[in-house]
Amino acid sequence: NAGVTQTPKFQVLKTGQSMTLQCAQDMNHNSMYWYRQDPGMGLRLIYYSASEGTTDKGEVPNGYNVSRLNKREFSLRLESAAPSQTSVYFCASGSGLAANTQYFGPGTRLTVL
Amino acid sequence: AQKVTQAQTEISVVEKEDVTLDCVYETRDTTYYLFWYKQPPSGELVFLIRRNSFDEQNEISGRYSWNFQKSTSSFNFTITASQVVDSAVYFCALSEGQTQGGSEKLVFGKGMKLTVNP
Repeated sequence: NAGVTQTPKFQVLKTGQSMTLQCAQDMNHNSMYWYRQDPGMGLRLIYYSASEGTTDKGEVPNGYNVSRLNKREFSLRLESAAPSQTSVYFCASGSGLAANTQYFGPGTRLTVL
Repeated sequence: AQKVTQAQTEISVVEKEDVTLDCVYETRDTTYYLFWYKQPPSGELVFLIRRNSFDEQNEISGRYSWNFQKSTSSFNFTITASQVVDSAVYFCALSEGQTQGGSEKLVFGKGMKLTVNP
């Protein structure tokens, strides 16, 4: 039982390049989330998916797209990376109820030069 | 709108000292949930506790205790007899209930870095 997994762990991009961050969970959770963590800012929600086939914007969605491929997988895509997207990205999953606890993946450290 | 404030950004203590991490929240909902997460230097986020708005009982788990007070909108976390392994960034978070248009999204405070020195 791996919980929430993310790939890659580290990535360096040049400005303008694109990439997709992958996330998978094996806890049969309905909801999945993408956050970014920046120094002094805490975690901010980028996008979330309340169930398979649905996605919604969070607090900071600009410059990102997401795909809920199936119940297990939720990917985050940067179409044209910018230095402002240098951050640590966390994927999380939860039951989808307000009482749900979100469980986090190990994170992806992304640097955009 | 939801808001979580962790006024302390960084605390440094000596091992065996007690330390309290403050968390103040704002919400218009009557049903909500509060969380604490720990982020050790390795970077992962570890769930510590969840509390719902109807349960104001304090909770103790080993050296950890949580004091939830609706009257002051606070959910403070105390570590008793701190240890070096407690060194981490601690986040408080809030999720509103699904009444009155709420959702299951978490709003995090900015975190508080605790350093426990030997």
